[in-house]
Amino acid sequence: GGIITQTPKFLIGQEGQKLTLKCQQNFNHDTMYWYRQDSGKGLRLIYYSITENDLQKGDLSEGYDASREKKSSFSLTVTSAQKNEMAVFLCASSEGASQNTLYFGAGTRLSVL
Amino acid sequence: GEKVEQHESTLSVREGDSAVINCTYTDTASSYFPWYKQEAGKSLHFVIDIRSNVDRKQSQRLIVLLDKKAKRFSLHITATQPEDSAIYFCAASSGGNYKPTFGKGTSLVVHP
Repeated sequence: GGIITQTPKFLIGQEGQKLTLKCQQNFNHDTMYWYRQDSGKGLRLIYYSITENDLQKGDLSEGYDASREKKSSFSLTVTSAQKNEMAVFLCASSEGASQNTLYFGAGTRLSVL
Repeated sequence: GEKVEQHESTLSVREGDSAVINCTYTDTASSYFPWYKQEAGKSLHFVIDIRSNVDRKQSQRLIVLLDKKAKRFSLHITATQPEDSAIYFCAASSGGNYKPTFGKGTSLVVHP
């Protein structure tokens, strides 16, 4: 088995601040994803990466940057945190194309003061 | 792009009864339909999936049905137990498309 580790678990930021969330997986999976989970809105795809150094925009990419420096890690940057923003950011990985099971990390809970 | 609608936002059943969660999708090219479970305070984990080459799949108390004509799929949980209480998400994706689309989730409560 493997594991996806997201850091930090909780992130408190100030309005306008640049914030970075990190994700590591040891499944040796090719594809990694960042989703945002808001209550009542389900999961919305922010960025995904099908291999090292690849980046693809999801439906919610505006206001975010991502980086896949190596196969095992995928980071997400909130470029300018919005006041009163609260959400959970979930990292996931899968073996290949989306017809494979996604494995999720425990999430990073963001609060912006 | 693909849109997945999950029809029940909340569902309440008595222990031992069956629970059914329904999803519809829009893209006829979608061919893979997984379900994920999120227990309180935890992340999502995979529970069962179905591919478009079959219309029924069962894993213990979980049954997934797929109606490609109606672009509808459903999760049936039989003989529910309190530990089935969770949020369930359906998703859909097509071959070669790296972007699975999720429904908004159904909060299932199983009362003792």
